[in-house]
Amino acid sequence: QSVLTQPPSASGTPGQRVTISCSGSSSNIGSNTVNWYQQFPGTAPKLLIHSNNQRPSGVPDRFSGSKSGTSASLAISGLQSDDEADYHCAAWDASLNGWVFGGGTKVTVL
Amino acid sequence: QVQLVESGGGVVQPGRSLRLSCEASGFTFTGFGFHWVRQAPGKVMEWVAVIWYDGSKKYYADSVRGRFTISRDNSKNTVYLEMNTLTVEDTAVYYCARDYGGIQWSQNWFDPWGQGTLVIVSS
Repeated sequence: QSVLTQPPSASGTPGQRVTISCSGSSSNIGSNTVNWYQQFPGTAPKLLIHSNNQRPSGVPDRFSGSKSGTSASLAISGLQSDDEADYHCAAWDASLNGWVFGGGTKVTVL
Repeated sequence: QVQLVESGGGVVQPGRSLRLSCEASGFTFTGFGFHWVRQAPGKVMEWVAVIWYDGSKKYYADSVRGRFTISRDNSKNTVYLEMNTLTVEDTAVYYCARDYGGIQWSQNWFDPWGQGTLVIVSS
């Protein structure tokens, strides 16, 4: 069981918009920034979004992040087959004194 | 090219020890803190430990505190994770990641990550 809650899966057809939620509490998302990581099977995670909604250079603007209260979201617009991967949210948790992750969401392009 | 390369994983019996290494290149090693994050097969990622840029502070997840020790050797651009009294629950891919961001470290993120090293604890 993970501290941050994500749906286990999400899917869409090419070109569609997919949104992934990440639900937490006041000790993590509610008081700290959220980061998102993309992970292809058998490979290391890669930073996708940091500080709730900031894209590192090289990340397409099809990916966007947002945060409201104790929840965050990752949106993928113009879905492409290359976007098939696992997506993990993460944040610092002040109560646990450590970083916590969501369970990961597997995105499938139909 | 900014890169982290882990090594030291393998198969170890319960109760034994193992030391993982993470060699960094392509950036000023002494300017950054580092994390270890693990991912059991098909399971959630779990943050394990962090060491400050100067080694002055170290924090651990409850699940490993007292058994694991994070350290760094700035002369070798390498971060270590000494793992003692291993149990089957420690079986996972262990990733090293650079801490990146600003002064308010709780708002930082992990970038980049190494390719990971697999630790299997089994009798």
